[in-house]
Amino acid sequence: AQSVAQPEDQVNVAEGNPLTVKCTYSVSGNPYLFWYVQYPNRGLQFLLKYITGDNLVKGSYGFEAEFNKSQTSFHLKKPSALVSDSALYFCAVRASGGSYIPTFGRGTSLIVHP
Amino acid sequence: DADVTQTPRNRITKTGKRIMLECSQTKGHDRMYWYRQDPGLGLQLIYYSFDVKDINKGEISDGYSVSRQAQAKFSLSLESAIPNQTALYFCATSEAEIAGFGELFFGEGSRLTVL
Repeated sequence: AQSVAQPEDQVNVAEGNPLTVKCTYSVSGNPYLFWYVQYPNRGLQFLLKYITGDNLVKGSYGFEAEFNKSQTSFHLKKPSALVSDSALYFCAVRASGGSYIPTFGRGTSLIVHP
Repeated sequence: DADVTQTPRNRITKTGKRIMLECSQTKGHDRMYWYRQDPGLGLQLIYYSFDVKDINKGEISDGYSVSRQAQAKFSLSLESAIPNQTALYFCATSEAEIAGFGELFFGEGSRLTVL
């Protein structure tokens, strides 16, 4: 079985400050990990993924994520938050083999204050 | 034009009515999915299809059915809608495993309200 935990329902950060949105996972074997963003009244958009290789993955809109195998984590980060980054963020995991269907976390609402 | 198009975007209906949500895609992907989003619950998989002749139940398929009419079209039906099916529904697509690693491409969503 595979699962994802996003321990924070909401993250608040001031514009210009660094942000972190946390994600931990459980999967059998090697994980494929994904982050998606959902703006109000929109569908989810793919941000970035970790498949293999470098633990630091860079994605769209200046976001990056760090894969930590020992801590089974894949936290989303950005050095300087923008008000326009305010949205709902979803982490997802799937095993590198098996049914290939990703499991999503419950989502974290990021609020960036001016 | 959007790569993944869902119709209708909003629908209000009454308990017991039959509802169909339609999804079409121009991405040329083989795999299509229907998800349901409820506040605080994330995304729950209803059905998925890896090709035209392949249909699979997800974690919450009861009360729903699907039809894969073509590679580009995947419809979700509620035969007899009930109020707890009020939710935001998303269609998504992905490449076959041999071509990619499974990131999903979503439509804009269909908001369904069952009174």
